[in-house]
Amino acid sequence: RKEVEQDPGPFNVPEGATVAFNCTYSNSASQSFFWYRQDCRKEPKLLMSVYSSGNEDGRFTAQLNRASQYISLLIRDSKLSDSATYLCVGADSSYKLIFGSGTRLLVRP
Amino acid sequence: GAVVSQHPSWVICKSGTSVKIECRSLDFQATTMFWYRQFPKQSLMLMATSNEGSKATYEQGVEKDKFLINHASLTLSTLTVTSAHPEDSSFYICSASRVREGERNQPQHFGDGTRLSIL
Repeated sequence: RKEVEQDPGPFNVPEGATVAFNCTYSNSASQSFFWYRQDCRKEPKLLMSVYSSGNEDGRFTAQLNRASQYISLLIRDSKLSDSATYLCVGADSSYKLIFGSGTRLLVRP
Repeated sequence: GAVVSQHPSWVICKSGTSVKIECRSLDFQATTMFWYRQFPKQSLMLMATSNEGSKATYEQGVEKDKFLINHASLTLSTLTVTSAHPEDSSFYICSASRVREGERNQPQHFGDGTRLSIL
């Protein structure tokens, strides 16, 4: 079983739609979590950190449920520029990152 | 924001050549840098953790004699792919974390990546 699992998608949604991605992790020792965005043939870019209390950054909301070992990302009012692969990432105390395989999002006009 | 520079961005060379990739943190000190590899349509896989002034820690299955890592300063780590073969063709990405005393769980910032193609 992978340490971080994501639905690969693709999620194909119209502009303006709300879309949610889920991620589960198996290592209860994971201490922090992030969502990264990766465009085709580019490096990952940090989208946001994920906290148990939940955090919001504009149209993006992330949530962590440690009891269920579950992480989510909600994107409201999708834009064409949101099309990318979204990587769920866990980190242990030594800063080692474990990447999910990514969820691909396609936002259509 | 934190900037990590990686060089070169693209390499095409013959089988048997050794290739060196540099990773620099431009505006912060990074005691630890990480090297990843990503094959097409797959996720990033950690290859090794590079510690300034000491030996790198390699992940299981990664040959340390094949992938030489040097972390000579707080802003520079290098990965050398020795005697590269076509199966080493991949996207290599480094990352660095801004580590400050008393702060934990800092996100990692990635270099632009190096696309390596071995003919």
